[in-house]
Amino acid sequence: DAGVTQSPTHLIKTRGQHVTLRCSPISGHKSVSWYQQVLGQGPQFIFQYYEKEERGRGNFPDRFSARQFPNYSSELNVNALLLGDSALYLCASSLLPGTGAGETQYFGPGTRLLVL
Amino acid sequence: DAKTTQPPSMDCAEGRAANLPCNHSTISGNEYVYWYRQIHSQGPQYIIHGLKNNETNEMASLIITEDRKSSTLILPHATLRDTAVYYCIAEAPYNNNDMRFGAGTRLTVKP
Repeated sequence: DAGVTQSPTHLIKTRGQHVTLRCSPISGHKSVSWYQQVLGQGPQFIFQYYEKEERGRGNFPDRFSARQFPNYSSELNVNALLLGDSALYLCASSLLPGTGAGETQYFGPGTRLLVL
Repeated sequence: DAKTTQPPSMDCAEGRAANLPCNHSTISGNEYVYWYRQIHSQGPQYIIHGLKNNETNEMASLIITEDRKSSTLILPHATLRDTAVYYCIAEAPYNNNDMRFGAGTRLTVKP
């Protein structure tokens, strides 16, 4: 079975531009979460979606937005890019929202974004 | 989510057991302990999780102290491919729907 897939794998943008990152969860998983990982730090939670609804939001500005589609895939959008948005963006899927007893999140390989 | 504390780095000889400690002294009764690892430039990989009892799977063993204030991840026979950053997370089911990663422990397995 395919794991979590993300596209593109790498991306270079300039300040002020916007970017859309895509994620396809593991088949049967209905929850998708997004994380940002700056070099040298652990992943930081951005959003979680379940059944197309936002179920959680981390401490990120409104320039960050996301949505989930009927097939449970998801997009992360970042507007007005800043140099500090350069990071590895990770998508994780799980059967249910949160990590619940017996639940776990499975991560994709990430999209590495460089903002110049 | 309870705060977790891990040593920033550890070394282990290939073939020996790697014992990675984690302190979670403020853990609450419904918070599970999760372990993930991240090999360079890849997404985090789930290893194991537990609530009270010790757990074992094909990758590792998780030993949780009786008071649940600390735990140890054990890789029984470390290989060079186990070199990674290991994250310990304490989280309650369905709590805020996020996992809070700290800086983790960078484990280096040496030949």
